[in-house]
Amino acid sequence: RKEVEQDPGPFNVPEGATVAFNCTYSNSASQSFFWYRQDCRKEPKLLMSVYSSGNEDGRFTAQLNRASQYISLLIRDSKLSDSATYLCVVNAGNNRLAFGKGNQVVVIP
Amino acid sequence: GAVVSQHPSWVICKSGTSVKIECRSLDFQATTMFWYRQFPKQSLMLMATSNEGSKATYEQGVEKDKFLINHASLTLSTLTVTSAHPEDSSFYICSARSGDRDYEQYFGPGTRLTVT
Repeated sequence: RKEVEQDPGPFNVPEGATVAFNCTYSNSASQSFFWYRQDCRKEPKLLMSVYSSGNEDGRFTAQLNRASQYISLLIRDSKLSDSATYLCVVNAGNNRLAFGKGNQVVVIP
Repeated sequence: GAVVSQHPSWVICKSGTSVKIECRSLDFQATTMFWYRQFPKQSLMLMATSNEGSKATYEQGVEKDKFLINHASLTLSTLTVTSAHPEDSSFYICSARSGDRDYEQYFGPGTRLTVT
């Protein structure tokens, strides 16, 4: 089983709509979780950390479900500039981060 | 915020030659640096972890004699791809972490290597 699994999509989202996606992780001992954003041919950039109680940053909401070992990201009021690949990242132990393949989001005008 | 640079941003080389990629943390001291590789439509794959002044720890399946990593200072790590082959063509990304941050890594802009 892969350390982090994501449905690559693409997720085609009308501008202004809400989109949500999950990723699952295999290591139940993982303690740190992140969502990164990666634009085409660019490096990943930290979007937000994911806390146990869930957290919100503007139009972005992240949730963690430890029992089911998944993390979710919800984007409200999608903008064209939100088009990117969203990488689910999990602390894999030994100072390592494990990356999912990413959820590709395409916001359509 | 923390800034990490990489040089070169892209390189084309002939099969059999070696290529060196530099990764620098510009405004913080990076006790740990990481080297990743990303093939098209794939996730980032960790190649190795390097701590300043010590030998790098390579992930399973990564040839340490082919991918030479040097982390001689707290702001510079280098990755040398020796005897490059076309299958080494990829997007190489470094990241850096300062000692007191909880797994938060700052990524360089990446180096696109094409081996002809």
